Amino acid sequence: GENVEQHPSTLSVQEGDSAVIKCTYSDSASNYFPWYKQELGKRPQLIIDIRSNVGEKKDQRIAVTLNKTAKHFSLHITETQPEDSAVYFCAALAAGYSSASKIIFGSGTRLSIRP
Amino acid sequence: NAGVTQTPKFRVLKTGQSMTLLCAQDMNHEYMYWYRQDPGMGLRLIHYSVGEGTTAKGEVPDGYNVSRLKKQNFLLGLESAAPSQTSVYFCASCRGTNYEQYFGPGTRLTVT
Repeated sequence: GENVEQHPSTLSVQEGDSAVIKCTYSDSASNYFPWYKQELGKRPQLIIDIRSNVGEKKDQRIAVTLNKTAKHFSLHITETQPEDSAVYFCAALAAGYSSASKIIFGSGTRLSIRP
Repeated sequence: NAGVTQTPKFRVLKTGQSMTLLCAQDMNHEYMYWYRQDPGMGLRLIHYSVGEGTTAKGEVPDGYNVSRLKKQNFLLGLESAAPSQTSVYFCASCRGTNYEQYFGPGTRLTVT
């Protein structure tokens, strides 16, 4: 089955700098890769996603890149702000379940923004 | 429009006791999921459902059962709770044509 690995587990950056979180997946047939943000004590919420037919997607300060050959995808946050502090999860849609939306999550990255 | 709700928010059980967690959604979503969240381990899929009356196993199904008798509700049962089931449980739902998952607020369960 699909396996998603996420690095680093913790990340601390200076406010205004960029942050990058990386994930790898095991099943080359996976075709949907979302990123979720979870603030302390809150529920996870989708912040951006990418499908396998594109290599990059951007939404204001957030971008995601996908390399299908290498089976990895990354989240880039530019001009970080204090409200970006949270746990970020990558995920992949498990292949073979295209009609069932079985999403497998990475283990999470705790991002801290230093003032 | 309440979105996804979960009942209860907190619960403490003794080893061997049973309980049912209720998830409800009012968005007419076809798919529903139960995850558990443990420190450093992300969100692990327990069971999921692709429609009323259907259920399937996820990554960590042992010790749990589920039922989806109504489209809007997805129940997670623990027949004989164990300390290893201490966790935060999240329910989620999504449409069949869009994979974005909407999560509930979570249930914090402690088994002593």
